[in-house]
Amino acid sequence: GQSLEQPSEVTAVEGAIVQINCTYQTSGFYGLSWYQQHDGGAPTFLSYNGLDGLEETGRFSSFLSRSDSYGYLLLQELQMKDSASYFCAVRDLLLNSGGYQKVTFGTGTKLQVIP
Amino acid sequence: EAQVTQNPRYLITVTGKKLTVTCSQNMNHEYMSWYRQDPGLGLRQIYYSMNVEVTDKGDVPEGYKVSRKEKRNFPLILESPSPNQTSLYFCASRKTGRVAGANVLTFGAGSRLTVL
Repeated sequence: GQSLEQPSEVTAVEGAIVQINCTYQTSGFYGLSWYQQHDGGAPTFLSYNGLDGLEETGRFSSFLSRSDSYGYLLLQELQMKDSASYFCAVRDLLLNSGGYQKVTFGTGTKLQVIP
Repeated sequence: EAQVTQNPRYLITVTGKKLTVTCSQNMNHEYMSWYRQDPGLGLRQIYYSMNVEVTDKGDVPEGYKVSRKEKRNFPLILESPSPNQTSLYFCASRKTGRVAGANVLTFGAGSRLTVL
């Protein structure tokens, strides 16, 4: 099966940098995604890493190390609107499934940005 | 506008009264999925569909049914709801295959269900 671990809560100061880590265990790893969810809202896609290294999208970056089964989301120049929950999600190629890639979500990290 | 639409957004019902939560997407996505979200448990997959007439169980399928008669629609059916199905439900869709966007799940706004 698949399992993911990420911290449950993180607090950071406006303007600072915060890193949210995610470790995973899976049998057919295909890629790692990150989603943002504001209270009462739907999850929205932030980034995807299929290969090792850093992907940058504006103030957000995501990193993957497949050999360490580890990734992180880096948020720079934090703004109050970044207060939300952040989910890592592993994409896993299931054997004998006709190519189906299952996506399993972590339990989420609630980020609170304080002034 | 490309979107996933769920209805109803909020519903309070009683134990045993059958209900259906509809989900429709206008992006011609092959893959659709239902998740439930409970505090501290993240998003757990209920059922998914790779294409029309192709559905399969996710991690928590007990007490739910789905159908995929058309590409755009993927309703979630609770035949006999129970209080432990009180939750926030999300429908999501994405492309499949080695195409741009196949890594991106687009979620509906969510349906908050309370079973008394």
